[in-house]
Amino acid sequence: DGGITQSPKYLFRKEGQNVTLSCEQNLNHDAMYWYRQDPGQGLRLIYYSQIVNDFQKGDIAEGYSVSREKKESFPLTVTSAQKNPTAFYLCASSSTGGAGSPLHFGNGTRLTVT
Amino acid sequence: GENVEQHPSTLSVQEGDSAVIKCTYSDSASNYFPWYKQELGKGPQLIIDIRSNVGEKKDQRIAVTLNKTAKHFSLHITETQPEDSAVYFCAAYTNAGKSTFGDGTTLTVKP
Repeated sequence: DGGITQSPKYLFRKEGQNVTLSCEQNLNHDAMYWYRQDPGQGLRLIYYSQIVNDFQKGDIAEGYSVSREKKESFPLTVTSAQKNPTAFYLCASSSTGGAGSPLHFGNGTRLTVT
Repeated sequence: GENVEQHPSTLSVQEGDSAVIKCTYSDSASNYFPWYKQELGKGPQLIIDIRSNVGEKKDQRIAVTLNKTAKHFSLHITETQPEDSAVYFCAAYTNAGKSTFGDGTTLTVKP
């Protein structure tokens, strides 16, 4: 089955530690995205990548970093600089990065930092 | 930048009734409007979408209408069923591929 795999489903970290969230897709999509979801709020874009070895900041990139070394993979690192990292993180992909290309989402990683 | 407002934030209906969720957007350049359904603990899934050259689109019990002049679009679910209970998100895209999401509507369908 084609889709997006996010792992792990739940992640717990101590404050001050960096943590990397995994996202893999086998849809052969060019574009990949990371969103953050907080209770009662919409999805806010952290980073996106329209092609391998290239990525752009979204609306809330501070305290996060990404890499896109392979088409299939787009890991997100939540650094200790992110002031409020506890959230639900969603990875998505689309066939192209243009308008009219719907997003396919993974099932998310819930990160808790204490 | 684009701003998308979604109403209501919560909606409760009786099974078999209709449900309507409305979104307004600010950027007249937006030309693609998808709707996503998110069940508890899962990622959102596309349920229907509409492009700016179309006024209405229907897929079985789900329909979306778009009024470009007024910059609003709506999701209509008829004959609601308990499995329609979820959080629904609208989004608006510009040609640059940048999407902006509404804050979501929690729909509860009571049996």
